[in-house]
Amino acid sequence: GQNIDQPTEMTATEGAIVQINCTYQTSGFNGLFWYQQHAGEAPTFLSYNVLDGLEEKGRFSSFLSRSKGYSYLLLKELQMKDSASYLCAVNAPGAGSYQLTFGKGTKLSVIP
Amino acid sequence: GAGVSQTPSNKVTEKGKYVELRCDPISGHTALYWYRQSLGQGPEFLIYFQGTGAADDSGLPNDRFFAVRPEGSVSTLKIQRTERGDSAVYLCASSSGQVGAGNTIYFGEGSWLTVV
Repeated sequence: GQNIDQPTEMTATEGAIVQINCTYQTSGFNGLFWYQQHAGEAPTFLSYNVLDGLEEKGRFSSFLSRSKGYSYLLLKELQMKDSASYLCAVNAPGAGSYQLTFGKGTKLSVIP
Repeated sequence: GAGVSQTPSNKVTEKGKYVELRCDPISGHTALYWYRQSLGQGPEFLIYFQGTGAADDSGLPNDRFFAVRPEGSVSTLKIQRTERGDSAVYLCASSSGQVGAGNTIYFGEGSWLTVV
């Protein structure tokens, strides 16, 4: 089966840095995605990792360690608009190479 | 269109009724997906289309759920004899290629279904 774990909620201060962790146990691995979802809106793509290491994209970075089944999303210079749920999703051949298996999401609250 | 379009955005129906949810994917995207998201949960895979055919419908919870994509573009998710447990957001998504090759899935805003 596929199992993806991430913290349910996090709170951070405007201007700070926050790291959202994701661990996964899947049947094979084809890549890991991070999505942002504001309340009542569609998930929007943030990042994709398939090889070990850090991918940086502006204020957002994502890290992957395949041997540890671990990823994190790093958000820098937090803004109030970053308050949202962050979804970790894995593409694994065991579940069909066209499927994404999602975690439950981490609800991030940015406070002044 | 510019993005994935779903209608209706909200639907309230009585238990036992039939419901249709429509999805118009991004133009040119051959892959289309339906996911279901309950409150406090991540999206859960329902069905995947490549072109007109359902390549994988293993996520459909039971035979009350059915989806079609007759011309390889617009898709309709059909739910018969709705139950209160069917209440959720039904998300449609599309991609230009196989997810395993790193292609991104783009989601629509979802259809919020409430069964009373």
